[in-house]
Amino acid sequence: DTAVSQTPKYLVTQMGNDKSIKCEQNLGHDTMYWYKQDSKKFLKIMFSYNNKELIINETVPNRFSPKSPDKAHLNLHINSLELGDSAVYFCASSQSMTGRAFFGQGTRLTVV
Amino acid sequence: TQLLEQSPQFLSIQEGENLTVYCNSSSVFSSLQWYRQEPGEGPVLLVTVVTGGEVKKLKRLTFQFGDARKDSSLHITAAQPGDTGLYLCAGALTGTASKLTFGTGTRLQVTL
Repeated sequence: DTAVSQTPKYLVTQMGNDKSIKCEQNLGHDTMYWYKQDSKKFLKIMFSYNNKELIINETVPNRFSPKSPDKAHLNLHINSLELGDSAVYFCASSQSMTGRAFFGQGTRLTVV
Repeated sequence: TQLLEQSPQFLSIQEGENLTVYCNSSSVFSSLQWYRQEPGEGPVLLVTVVTGGEVKKLKRLTFQFGDARKDSSLHITAAQPGDTGLYLCAGALTGTASKLTFGTGTRLQVTL
């Protein structure tokens, strides 16, 4: 059983399109995250939800909108995709804000 | 400038050699985690250190948290090809609104 699963694993799309990435965790954690890993492998937090409430919203363009329908799901919608959005996006979950983070396999987004 | 700087950025060594990876900051952390990430996968937690000066061992890996809780090191003895990967430290800042902040990463390649 996969603890944190995100779909799709690969996403290739044209500039200007809107796309969504889904994430689900079956660990019973109360906190979920979206991270962006750039080409230099730097892992930067984008958003954090604790009990469905947005806790962390780093400096991320408004084109990125997270949605948490329940504690087990955190989806990421991206409007008007740009070339610079190309990266690997990781979903993660933890019990509390500083607990051990369990990561999904990542979604490699390529904007062409 | 990144909050957590890792050095070296890249390391290519032969099987059997020893190595040390450093994770440095000017901030004090309540805890520090080390993750390993393999290609196409999300980071996986190796260890968490909490107390200043703490040393933890995981087989051939030795982790140390600095006395002042501002830095950490990871030492690998007799490296093996299976140790190849991206090593990330992640610190939880003290105080409110805590969150995990990831280091800049160290890419390790161990060849036969």
